[in-house]
Amino acid sequence: EVQLVESGGGLVQPGGSLRLSCAASGFRFSDFAMSWVRQSPGKGLEWVSGISGGGGGTGYADSAKGRFTISRDNSKNSLYLQLNSLRADDTAIYFCAKDHSRPFLGDGSSWHHWGQGTLVTVSS
Amino acid sequence: QSVLTQPPSVSAAPGQKVTISCSGSSSNIENNYVSWYQQLPGTAPKLLIYDNNKRPSGIPDRFSGSKSGTSATLGITGLQTGDEADYYCGTWDRSLNAGVFGGGTKLTVL
Repeated sequence: EVQLVESGGGLVQPGGSLRLSCAASGFRFSDFAMSWVRQSPGKGLEWVSGISGGGGGTGYADSAKGRFTISRDNSKNSLYLQLNSLRADDTAIYFCAKDHSRPFLGDGSSWHHWGQGTLVTVSS
Repeated sequence: QSVLTQPPSVSAAPGQKVTISCSGSSSNIENNYVSWYQQLPGTAPKLLIYDNNKRPSGIPDRFSGSKSGTSATLGITGLQTGDEADYYCGTWDRSLNAGVFGGGTKLTVL
């Protein structure tokens, strides 16, 4: 059974940093692209960032470029998102999501398995 | 402002059929596969449709997907009260080099 468990969320002041983690199990982690998707309170889904199975390809939403960094450690079956220069509008639940079947980002990306999310609150 | 446009809400009676549209452009829907997600209150999204019209294992055939040009459609037949949820379309945008979602559609089963 595929399981994705996020951690690392919390309350942080504007301008601060956090590192989110996602522990994966139940599948061959390196065979699949992974993404972070967030949802602000009462709002819709926003794709934040993604990384290919091997880690060599990454992508970011404009809102994340220059501030967030995605990475993965296939030896630990773990996905990470480093959040820097946080702003109030980064407040959201951050979900870790596994691609349905592809090891790469791009055409055909879809997100089959999701974690329960970790809440990031940016406030003074 | 979402890259993909969905109606904010749709409604229909139990047992009826409903469709939810998703409008995009040549940089996303027209040249990429579309997926659809159901999100019940307080839960993570669930993949309903991928590659425009394929259902993952366990998704009933009451759910269907189609695509034409720069638009995609999710269809749900035999509506049940348990189908009340938010529905999102998603795809890849070649110009942005990023994943994109629609703003979401709230389905009410009257």
